[in-house]
Amino acid sequence: AQSVTQLDSQVPVFEEAPVELRCNYSSSVSVYLFWYVQYPNQGLQLLLKYLSGSTLVESINGFEAEFNKSQTSFHLRKPSVHISDTAEYFCAVSVSGNQFYFGTGTSLTVIP
Amino acid sequence: NAGVTQTPKFQVLKTGQSMTLQCAQDMNHEYMSWYRQDPGMGLRLIHYSVGAGITDQGEVPNGYNVSRSTTEDFPLRLLSAAPSQTSVYFCASSSYHRGVNEQFFGPGTRLTVL
Repeated sequence: AQSVTQLDSQVPVFEEAPVELRCNYSSSVSVYLFWYVQYPNQGLQLLLKYLSGSTLVESINGFEAEFNKSQTSFHLRKPSVHISDTAEYFCAVSVSGNQFYFGTGTSLTVIP
Repeated sequence: NAGVTQTPKFQVLKTGQSMTLQCAQDMNHEYMSWYRQDPGMGLRLIHYSVGAGITDQGEVPNGYNVSRSTTEDFPLRLLSAAPSQTSVYFCASSSYHRGVNEQFFGPGTRLTVL
């Protein structure tokens, strides 16, 4: 089975500051990588995904993540966060496209 | 499209009671799955299905049953509820045969077992 590690359970950051949420996975084979966001009392929504091609992927709201095969990482970054970015963020991995394995989540709190 | 719907949104059970969490999707997705979300543990896969009539176990299947009689519906049954099953349950669906696509999640069911 895959394992996904999100080392930071809580990340407080001031508004307009940059942020990086870390994600590492265990597989040595080709994987598909995802970041999901969960706002309070809601389900998960896809933020961005890496399937193949360019290792840098972007979302429509300014987040980006870079697939690093040698370090088996898929860290999520944003150069300037907003209050509305306060949420729980989950990294997920799929090998077959069938089963998805999720990290334990990182709670991002943006401080005014 | 309504997407993925789940009922009920909240449920309180007593130990030993049984119940069914409902999940339906109207996107004609082949793949459906059930997760439970617990603090500090992220989402863990309970059961999944790759099409009508086909189900398989995930990471934490004990105490739960599923069936997939139609493409649209994927109910999760708790046979004899235990306090350890207190959790938030999410149903998700995705299109399987067209390769890897995003999973669409329902709004969740918050279950408390007393």
